[in-house]
Amino acid sequence: GNSVTQMEGPVTLSEEAFLTINCTYTATGYPSLFWYVQYPGEGLQLLLKATKADDKGSNKGFEATYRKETTSFHLEKGSVQVSDSAVYFCALSDSTGGFKTIFGAGTRLFVKA
Amino acid sequence: KAGVTQTPRYLIKTRGQQVTLSCSPISGHRSVSWYQQTPGQGLQFLFEYFSETQRNKGNFPGRFSGRQFSNSRSEMNVSTLELGDSALYLCASSLETSGGGDTQYFGPGTRLTVL
Repeated sequence: GNSVTQMEGPVTLSEEAFLTINCTYTATGYPSLFWYVQYPGEGLQLLLKATKADDKGSNKGFEATYRKETTSFHLEKGSVQVSDSAVYFCALSDSTGGFKTIFGAGTRLFVKA
Repeated sequence: KAGVTQTPRYLIKTRGQQVTLSCSPISGHRSVSWYQQTPGQGLQFLFEYFSETQRNKGNFPGRFSGRQFSNSRSEMNVSTLELGDSALYLCASSLETSGGGDTQYFGPGTRLTVL
């Protein structure tokens, strides 16, 4: 079945540091890939998505490229801010998954001033 | 447009009781999914409804059930509550007309505590 594996946290960075959160997936079909973010005390919200191979999703300075050859969708940001402190979830969804989105375990990011 | 709303936001129950949680999707969204979020297990898929039909179900016992109404509002019910059912229950809605790839919009969740 479909699955998502993302790096364990927590990840602690200083402000303006470079961020990478690794995400790899297993899927039988051609999934769409997502990064969702959960800020403290808030619900999940979409950060970015990519629907086919080689697509790059981007939002708020975050980027992720859909790599079919490595089955990866790593999240990157060039310069993190304290306000980026949150839990980040990688997820996939496809029709062969039967109307179900599979989430990774989540990676907690702490950014220090 | 109003976002996804969930009621109640907080709930405290005792073991053996049952509970009903409610979710109102974004207007026009016909798909509603439910997830259980716990620190140990992360986000676990419970079930998904589209036009009043359950299209998929996660690996949860039969004590967990749901339904969707003609106006797309959804409820989930947990009977015979156990301590391990304490969690944040999240509802998400989407257009989901293609079977995959649509963005899900999440509500704030219902925090259930079972004593």
